[in-house]
Amino acid sequence: EVPLVESGGGLVQPGGSLRLSCTASGFAFRSYWMHWVRQAPGKGLVWVSRINNDGSSTLYADSVKGRFTISRDNAKNTLYLQMNSLRAEDTAVYYCVGHDFWSGYVPFDPWGQGTLVTVSS
Amino acid sequence: DIQLTQSPSSLSASVGDSVTITCRASQTINIYLNWFQQKPGKAPSLLISAASSLQSGVPTRFSGSGSGTDFTLTISSLQPEDFATYYCQQTYTTPYTFGQGTKLEI
Repeated sequence: EVPLVESGGGLVQPGGSLRLSCTASGFAFRSYWMHWVRQAPGKGLVWVSRINNDGSSTLYADSVKGRFTISRDNAKNTLYLQMNSLRAEDTAVYYCVGHDFWSGYVPFDPWGQGTLVTVSS
Repeated sequence: DIQLTQSPSSLSASVGDSVTITCRASQTINIYLNWFQQKPGKAPSLLISAASSLQSGVPTRFSGSGSGTDFTLTISSLQPEDFATYYCQQTYTTPYTFGQGTKLEI
């Protein structure tokens, strides 16, 4: 069973919007803090955003602050990333990642398989 | 932001070799350091957390050490499936930055 499955990626024009979803299964999603991490084609990993287990606290990388919104629905075991005002430099594979808060040292595990977002005209 | 510098950026080795990858942080991060393996077209996979804690299911030929600003990932007796890209990540403070990656090639 795949613990995290992303969806919602695709091709969008600059300035457009997209909402990514990440559905969890097989672990205690409501206990996990969740993140989005992205990877531009041929590049390294970049942390994008984090939300705590009940959704009351969020953090963003400076590069997406004010444009992206992370949220979650624990009843649906689903994490979201609303992406607005998209730019070419947002083109990347987006991964959702969980970490068990009680594990202490923020182990980033599990990971989803990723969904590709392409921003281009 | 905390910068992580991995060395080398790429590394050639053979099956059976032992290799070491270094990750240096721009400021102290205690032991808030993860190591990941990523194969082409796949998501990263957590190998080691808290600098030296091997994740369940990860072969014991992988080991991590270090604290403060200097960390190492050692892979002993390389196997064919170990040829991949390796990343370190600090989780001491946000933004949770990653190293630039080390590509391990045959």
